[in-house]
Amino acid sequence: GEDVEQSLFLSVREGDSSVINCTYTDSSSTYLYWYKQEPGAGLQLLTYIFSNMDMKQDQRLTVLLNKKDKHLSLRIADTQTGDSAIYFCAERTILTGGGNKLTFGTGTQLKVEL
Amino acid sequence: EPEVTQTPSHQVTQMGQEVILRCVPISNHLYFYWYRQILGQKVEFLVSFYNNEISEKSEIFDDQFSVERPDGSNFTLKIRSTKLEDSAMYFCASDLGGMNTEAFFGQGTRLTVV
Repeated sequence: GEDVEQSLFLSVREGDSSVINCTYTDSSSTYLYWYKQEPGAGLQLLTYIFSNMDMKQDQRLTVLLNKKDKHLSLRIADTQTGDSAIYFCAERTILTGGGNKLTFGTGTQLKVEL
Repeated sequence: EPEVTQTPSHQVTQMGQEVILRCVPISNHLYFYWYRQILGQKVEFLVSFYNNEISEKSEIFDDQFSVERPDGSNFTLKIRSTKLEDSAMYFCASDLGGMNTEAFFGQGTRLTVV
């Protein structure tokens, strides 16, 4: 079955780059996602990458995909205190009924220090 | 921007009681989902719903759970006889289905069973 793993914690200084890593198991996944969850809040879609891409850049966010190793990373440039949150990696599988199921990782708690 | 809304934001219930969690998906979406996040654990898929019936469910979604779309806008999750281990954040999501789609999540309902 599908499984997604992430490291649990990352601490960086404000202004540095953050790199959050994720590994997944389902080689048939078409889309891979990064969600952000702030304390007490819901899941906010940050960015996603289609499986035939190696890289996607979106302002301060860069997603790298190594499909051979089933490794996904999210780089946040110039990390700010407002980036402190839990970041979830998720892989998408298409259900037989036509819907989509997301399998989430454990989440990486990013702490940004001054 | 369209959004998925969930009510209530927090529900406290006694063990053995029935609870109904409510969601209003995005109006033109076709697929509706419930996910669960037990404190400190992964976000887990519970069920997907399409065309007024369950299209797929996980092993977590046992007979004490049910979903319904009682009218044209609401999508509900009922837990018939709550247990302590049902305490979690429950997220509703919706999407158009198919390949080129993005799931939108609600803010979640925190369910506390005492």
